[in-house]
Amino acid sequence: EVQLVQSGAEVKKPGESLQISCKGFGYTFTTHWIGWVRQMPGKGLEWMGIIYPDDSDIKYSPSFQGQVTISADKSLGTVYLQWSSLKASDTAMYYCARHVSNSYGRTLDPWGQGTLVTVSP
Amino acid sequence: QSVLTQPPSASGTPGQRVTISCSGSTSNIGGNTVNWYQQLPGTAPKLLIHSSNQRPSGVPDRFSGSKSGTSASLAISGLQPDDETDYYCATWDDSLFGWVFGGGTKLTVL
Repeated sequence: EVQLVQSGAEVKKPGESLQISCKGFGYTFTTHWIGWVRQMPGKGLEWMGIIYPDDSDIKYSPSFQGQVTISADKSLGTVYLQWSSLKASDTAMYYCARHVSNSYGRTLDPWGQGTLVTVSP
Repeated sequence: QSVLTQPPSASGTPGQRVTISCSGSTSNIGGNTVNWYQQLPGTAPKLLIHSSNQRPSGVPDRFSGSKSGTSASLAISGLQPDDETDYYCATWDDSLFGWVFGGGTKLTVL
């Protein structure tokens, strides 16, 4: 079964740094892009960026460029989302999802279970 | 402001058929297939429809999708109380070179 498993919930203070992770199981990790999606409390889904784990090619959404860093360690089958200085407005649920591209089109599936990040003084 | 436009809410009675629309542009829906996701409270989005009109295995045939030009629709027939939750459309945007989502539609089963 293809599965993405994310790291656990985090509670941080403004100004602190943070790295959350997403590990792939059940498929060849290096052959699919992995995307990150933010969902703020009570709000919709926002695409943050996407990484190709084999060569760490990264595309950021303009809204998140410079705000976060996406990286990957293909030897560990894991991608990361990192903040150098958190803000209260970073409080949200963060999902990773596998980008699948074939003759039918593009799909984000499956999704990780989500990592809740809470930033509070 | 989401790139794709969905109605914020929809409703229907048990057994009824409801449709949820998703409007975009030539750079996204116009040139790519559409995915629909169902998100139950406190859980990750679950793929309901891919390639605009294909159901993954395990998704009931009560759910169907269609696309025409720069718009897409999700139809749910034989509405059930468990269908009451949030639904999102999503597709690739060739100009952005990334994913775009609708703002989500909250479905209420009256």
